[in-house]
Amino acid sequence: EVQLVESGGGLVQPGGSLRLSCAASGFTFTSYWMHWVRQAPGKGLVWVSHINSDGYSTNYADSVKGRFTISRDNAKKTLFLQMNSLRAEDTAVYYCGRMIADGEDYWGQGTLVTVSS
Amino acid sequence: EIVLTQSPGTLSLSPGERATLSCRASQTVSNNYLAWYQQKPGQAPRLLIYGAFSRATGIPDRFTGSGSGTDFTLTISRLEPEDFAMYYCHQYGSSLRTFGQGTKVEF
Repeated sequence: EVQLVESGGGLVQPGGSLRLSCAASGFTFTSYWMHWVRQAPGKGLVWVSHINSDGYSTNYADSVKGRFTISRDNAKKTLFLQMNSLRAEDTAVYYCGRMIADGEDYWGQGTLVTVSS
Repeated sequence: EIVLTQSPGTLSLSPGERATLSCRASQTVSNNYLAWYQQKPGQAPRLLIYGAFSRATGIPDRFTGSGSGTDFTLTISRLEPEDFAMYYCHQYGSSLRTFGQGTKVEF
């Protein structure tokens, strides 16, 4: 069974940093591109970033470019999102996901990040 | 980046009725890499359609995706009670992925 379990969310002050993790199991992690998608309270889905299977190619939404860094540890089957210079508008549930491949994708349950003083 | 505009914002229908949701892209979606998701409160999104018209695993055939280029449609032929939810389109054909703002299907 495919499982994606996010951790690392919480309350952080504006300007602070947080590192999200996503532990993957039940599939060959090294074969799939992965992404982070966020959803502010009561709002829609917003793509944040994605990374290819070997970790050498990444892309970011303009709203987080230069502040967030996506990475992966294939040996530990874990996806990361390092978030720096956090702003109030970064407050959201952050989902990690296995990107669409072969007609399927998978999502974690999400982790809440709250940026507030 | 490709902007996806969904319409209408809200669709008020009854069980058994047909729902037609639209998603218009500001540029051509490469390879018609357009997906549709359903999301219910407190849950992660669920993939319904990928590649504009292919149903994801386990999705009932009352869900149909159509369209190409810049104009895409999700049709739910006969609404079941469990279909009342938010629906998002998503393009994954460009390096900068985007979602539409969503359509709420309400009873």
